[in-house]
Amino acid sequence: QVQLQESGPGLVTPSQTLSLTCTVSGVAITGGDSYWTWVRQPAGKGLEWIGRFYTRGGTTFNPSLKSRVTISVDTSKNQLSLKLNSVTAADTALYYCATSDSGWYMDVWGQGTTVTVSS
Amino acid sequence: QSVVTQPPSLSEAPGQGVTISCSGSKSNIGNNAVTWYQHLPGRAPKVVIYYDDELPSGVSDRFSASKSGSTASLAISGLQSEDEADYYCASWDESLNVYVFGTGTKVTVL
Repeated sequence: QVQLQESGPGLVTPSQTLSLTCTVSGVAITGGDSYWTWVRQPAGKGLEWIGRFYTRGGTTFNPSLKSRVTISVDTSKNQLSLKLNSVTAADTALYYCATSDSGWYMDVWGQGTTVTVSS
Repeated sequence: QSVVTQPPSLSEAPGQGVTISCSGSKSNIGNNAVTWYQHLPGRAPKVVIYYDDELPSGVSDRFSASKSGSTASLAISGLQSEDEADYYCASWDESLNVYVFGTGTKVTVL
């Protein structure tokens, strides 16, 4: 059974870099043909797709965030990471990692981690 | 602001049915598979429909979906209190090269 757990600092200073980790258990991240995705939800707003890592094809990012986002994989720790630089209050949100064998949906999700951008 | 729109809210009495619309364009809903997610407060989103109208194992058959052109619909029959949640449609947008979520619909069971 695949399980995902997000972690990271709950508070980030404006203009700094937000760094989150998604620890994966139950499967090797690069062990098959799968998609590893980051999604966020600002308080009171809808879901926003940030980007994803595809084990057979690299990374794809939301164009609205592309210049600030890095998604990478640490196979030794079986972790997915998200880095978002130059953050502002608009990046305050609940951040989820998710995965699927299909590029059309995400069927396994972590519980999410809240990040607040504030000085 | 999302390029895929849904009604902000719907409400219905227990036992009744609701239908959530999801309006997009040819570059997303029209040409690509639609997924419907159920999102309860404090919980991770859950797939209730994938590939336009497929029901995942373990999801109640009170959920059904369809698509016509660039509009998709999710129907929930026999509403139960446990169905009270936010529902999002989603699809790949081949013009924007991004996975887009709809604006979301809050379903309230009266």
